[in-house]
Amino acid sequence: IAGITQAPTSQILAAGRRMTLRCTQDMRHNAMYWYRQDLGLGLRLIHYSNTAGTTGKGEVPDGYSVSRANTDDFPLTLASAVPSQTSVYFCASSAFTGGDTGELFFGEGSRLTVL
Amino acid sequence: GENVEQHPSTLSVQEGDSAVIKCTYSDSASNYFPWYKQELGKRPQLIIDIRSNVGEKKDQRIAVTLNKTAKHFSLHITETQPEDSAVYFCAARRGTGGENKLTFGTGTQLKVEL
Repeated sequence: IAGITQAPTSQILAAGRRMTLRCTQDMRHNAMYWYRQDLGLGLRLIHYSNTAGTTGKGEVPDGYSVSRANTDDFPLTLASAVPSQTSVYFCASSAFTGGDTGELFFGEGSRLTVL
Repeated sequence: GENVEQHPSTLSVQEGDSAVIKCTYSDSASNYFPWYKQELGKRPQLIIDIRSNVGEKKDQRIAVTLNKTAKHFSLHITETQPEDSAVYFCAARRGTGGENKLTFGTGTQLKVEL
């Protein structure tokens, strides 16, 4: 089934550890995004990529890094996890055409707990 | 940057009644306004969107209205059903400069009671 896949589904992590959340899509969408969802704060954009080889910062980029080596993959890395990064992380993709945002297709989410 | 405010944070209605969720945005250059629905434990999914050259858009029981002058837009759900119970997010996107960043509101938990 075509779509967007995230891994892991959930993870408990000790503070200070490095963690990479994986995201893969098979819809050939050029744009990909990482959001975090926290109760009462909605969905906040961490980083995005309009096309392979380019990335940009969202609203809350500090403590996170991304790479976009190819069209399909967009991993999110926490270099040294802190408890405030406990959240549900959603990866999304869209067929962005430069002048019009396409529908965002979200993954199932990755629940991360940092202790 | 863009700031999107959404109200109310929670909303309870009786089955069959209408529900209205309102959002305001700060960036007058924003020109695309989608609404996403997130059922419990699921991913957000697009239910309707509107662009700034349109004042209203309908799709069966849901409709969205946009007032660009006042910088606010609203989601209207008529004849609510239990399956409408979910969290609804509004969002706004700036239309120029090649940026492709949607800013979401904080969400509205809608509960449709039998």
